[in-house]
Amino acid sequence: GENVEQHPSTLSVQEGDSAVIKCTYSDSASNYFPWYKQELGKRPQLIIDIRSNVGEKKDQRIAVTLNKTAKHFSLHITETQPEDSAVYFCAATEGEGGSYIPTFGRGTSLIVHP
Amino acid sequence: DVKVTQSSRYLVKRTGEKVFLECVQDMDHENMFWYRQDPGLGLRLIYFSYDVKMKEKGDIPEGYSVSREKKERFSLILESASTNQTSMYLCASGGTSGSGTDTQYFGPGTRLTVL
Repeated sequence: GENVEQHPSTLSVQEGDSAVIKCTYSDSASNYFPWYKQELGKRPQLIIDIRSNVGEKKDQRIAVTLNKTAKHFSLHITETQPEDSAVYFCAATEGEGGSYIPTFGRGTSLIVHP
Repeated sequence: DVKVTQSSRYLVKRTGEKVFLECVQDMDHENMFWYRQDPGLGLRLIYFSYDVKMKEKGDIPEGYSVSREKKERFSLILESASTNQTSMYLCASGGTSGSGTDTQYFGPGTRLTVL
């Protein structure tokens, strides 16, 4: 089955710095890679996703990159703000004709210090 | 806007009790999932369902069962609750490419404590 490794488990940055969270996956059949943000006491919510036919996707201050050959993908947050503090989960999924069952990373706790 | 709701936010039960957690989604999604979330372990899949009356085991099904009698409703059952089942339980629903999305939408979670 799929295995997703996520690093680091904790990331502490100063406001305005950039933050990068990295995930690797094992199953080359995975073709959909969502990122979820979970604020304290709240449900995980999708913030950005990428499919295997795309190498990079941006949405304002967040971006995701995917390297299919190396089987890794990363979340980049620029100009971090205190409200970015949360736990971030990556996932790898066999979508589009696959099982649609995501395998999640263990999460990264991002702390942005004002 | 997708809505996934769970029957309780907080639940306290005693060891050996039968526990029902219910999840309802309003997006006509085919797929529904139950996860448990524990610190440092991320989201672990307990069971999922592709359709009414269909269920598949996830990574940690032991001690749990599920029921999906209607498309919008997916129930998680702890037949005999134990203290090691104290956890946050998250329900999620998701479509398939036919419905235009394979993103998962999560419920607010149920914090279950077993004494």
